Amino acid sequence: DAKTTQPTSMDCAEGRAANLPCNHSTISGNEYVYWYRQIHSQGPQYIIHGLKNNETNEMASLIITEDRKSSTLILPHATLRDTAVYYCIVGYSGGYQKVTFGTGTKLQVIP
Amino acid sequence: GAVVSQHPSWVICKSGTSVKIECRSLDFQATTMFWYRQFPKQSLMLMATSNEGSKATYEQGVEKDKFLINHASLTLSTLTVTSAHPEDSSFYICSAERGDYGYTFGSGTRLTVV
Repeated sequence: DAKTTQPTSMDCAEGRAANLPCNHSTISGNEYVYWYRQIHSQGPQYIIHGLKNNETNEMASLIITEDRKSSTLILPHATLRDTAVYYCIVGYSGGYQKVTFGTGTKLQVIP
Repeated sequence: GAVVSQHPSWVICKSGTSVKIECRSLDFQATTMFWYRQFPKQSLMLMATSNEGSKATYEQGVEKDKFLINHASLTLSTLTVTSAHPEDSSFYICSAERGDYGYTFGSGTRLTVV
């Protein structure tokens, strides 16, 4: 079973920030939180990952709660091209552990 | 960096024939690769873990004799769908884990069995 739970779908107005939540209450101390997105008929694309601290890169920001039981992916200025299914997964870095995908969140960016 | 190339992007085959899908890590060595299957409007389902130089580990319910996996080198894993049937039609995706990039995924292969 997936270790994460996410809302099934969300809408966001173009140009606004998209905030995608994820619950991972059973996360282990050394497991990272990874975010990927999948645009229709393509392989998943890496977005960002983090362990404890908040992270930011050119694509998004990742906010992880202090207890690490949940996180939020933030797309600061959503565009139509950000319409995709966003997956939050937890796993060990470098451990070659298999990962299980949940249902993800279908983000629809609206013009 | 951390690019995984998957080939072919799409394939149509006749029922009863076999199809081979290749997954290559282009700029890194991948001791372990993973194979997923995705049906329309569903999430990715892990099929098997491919280990270089050893037998693959299959998830429960996945027929190992039907989905043959070979990981003969540190940069190549192949998935062969044997005696394909229409119900095997799906989107197949491979991935590999590489350091700070987490898990890198191929672009996927759309298999249609007619």
